[in-house]
Amino acid sequence: GAVVSQHPSWVICKSGTSVKIECRSLDFQATTMFWYRQFPKQSLMLMATSNEGSKATYEQGVEKDKFLINHASLTLSTLTVTSAHPEDSSFYICSASDSDYNEQFFGPGTRLTVL
Amino acid sequence: GQNIDQPTEMTATEGAIVQINCTYQTSGFNGLFWYQQHAGEAPTFLSYNVLDGLEEKGRFSSFLSRSKGYSYLLLKELQMKDSASYLCAVMDSNYQLIWGAGTKLIIKP
Repeated sequence: GAVVSQHPSWVICKSGTSVKIECRSLDFQATTMFWYRQFPKQSLMLMATSNEGSKATYEQGVEKDKFLINHASLTLSTLTVTSAHPEDSSFYICSASDSDYNEQFFGPGTRLTVL
Repeated sequence: GQNIDQPTEMTATEGAIVQINCTYQTSGFNGLFWYQQHAGEAPTFLSYNVLDGLEEKGRFSSFLSRSKGYSYLLLKELQMKDSASYLCAVMDSNYQLIWGAGTKLIIKP
């Protein structure tokens, strides 16, 4: 149980375009979803926390207008990178939890390359 | 500030035992997690400690001392597939995970 999927697994796009990444909890209801970014050889950096039906809480330094997060249902959250630039190239990972206090289950990640 | 420290890299031999240490300073404590992350993949859960002591799960064990702000992950009978990064993460008083930078473990035959 506790499977989280992400789509797409990898994406290459041109600078200036927008990219949407989906995160789904397949066998449980995720009241809370987390979006992380990980640059090579670095640890996970939390970008934002989202609860179903409410606005996401962004970490300091993360532009909410650039990284749009929608948590429309208990099984789906999306991250849209708007007007992507090469410096946005990274490994984006989502995780989901059935409460704020429990273990986070991670999706497989999405590798974004912006040309 | 909040801080998680773990060694950057460790090397061990196949079949041996290795201990990866993690020290932390956080605002509050609601548990410590260990995750394994293979290159290019997302982390996978290994263990969770919230009380002092040793938790054993197969070849992997995790220890916690809250008074010392210290944990370790013990890996026994090392296999080549254990080559990965091992991430220590502490859940603070706001139930937010604070992540260490990870320890890259290299297993040699």
